[in-house]
Amino acid sequence: GAVVSQHPSRVICKSGTSVKIECRSLDFQATTMFWYRQFPKQSLMLMATSNEGSKATYEQGVEKDKFLINHASLTLSTLTVTSAHPEDSSFYICSPAKTSGGADTQYFGPGTRLTVL
Amino acid sequence: SQKIEQNSEALNIQEGKTATLTCNYTNYSPAYLQWYRQDPGRGPVFLLLIRENEKEKRKERLKVTFDTTLKQSLFHITASQPADSATYLCALGGSQGNLIFGKGTKLSVKP
Repeated sequence: GAVVSQHPSRVICKSGTSVKIECRSLDFQATTMFWYRQFPKQSLMLMATSNEGSKATYEQGVEKDKFLINHASLTLSTLTVTSAHPEDSSFYICSPAKTSGGADTQYFGPGTRLTVL
Repeated sequence: SQKIEQNSEALNIQEGKTATLTCNYTNYSPAYLQWYRQDPGRGPVFLLLIRENEKEKRKERLKVTFDTTLKQSLFHITASQPADSATYLCALGGSQGNLIFGKGTKLSVKP
């Protein structure tokens, strides 16, 4: 399967700081990047979808000014949680895709555990 | 709105037995359904995909069925092993190519 990396794997920060999470698809070019988050004992929930070189599309209830997504290249996407608060503590997972829809198999990064104190 | 339910939050079985996990969905007609394995603190790992025109799919000890009339998929692990212990997620294809996930079923296989 495809290799996807996320960095950092774990981050603890103080309330009010910003955290940047990087997602790299190491062996294929991702025209689309999905960002999910998962709260304890909950399902993965889609936060936003971004296509390379375009603005991201955010799901209802996800603040675009708080969760900044940059998909500047076909192998790298970043998610920045700005002015993080304890309620933003979650497991963030990226999923690069080769096409914008109907992907047969989707690959996921190993996830980033964010804890906001 | 679309809803996916995995009816058991947890399932405990004995090694060697067959584990059967259930996924039901409503208000949706997916073109395909996928099953993933997720270990603690890790991202999901793809296991199997089954399309709406397929009734059954197999891969080694894994078997998935898909009943579009019942809006249900069953996921079986035969000859289960302690290493199969993990959370298993079912997911449906969303309109943007994303996936809509169930909450998962935590499977524990006891030796």
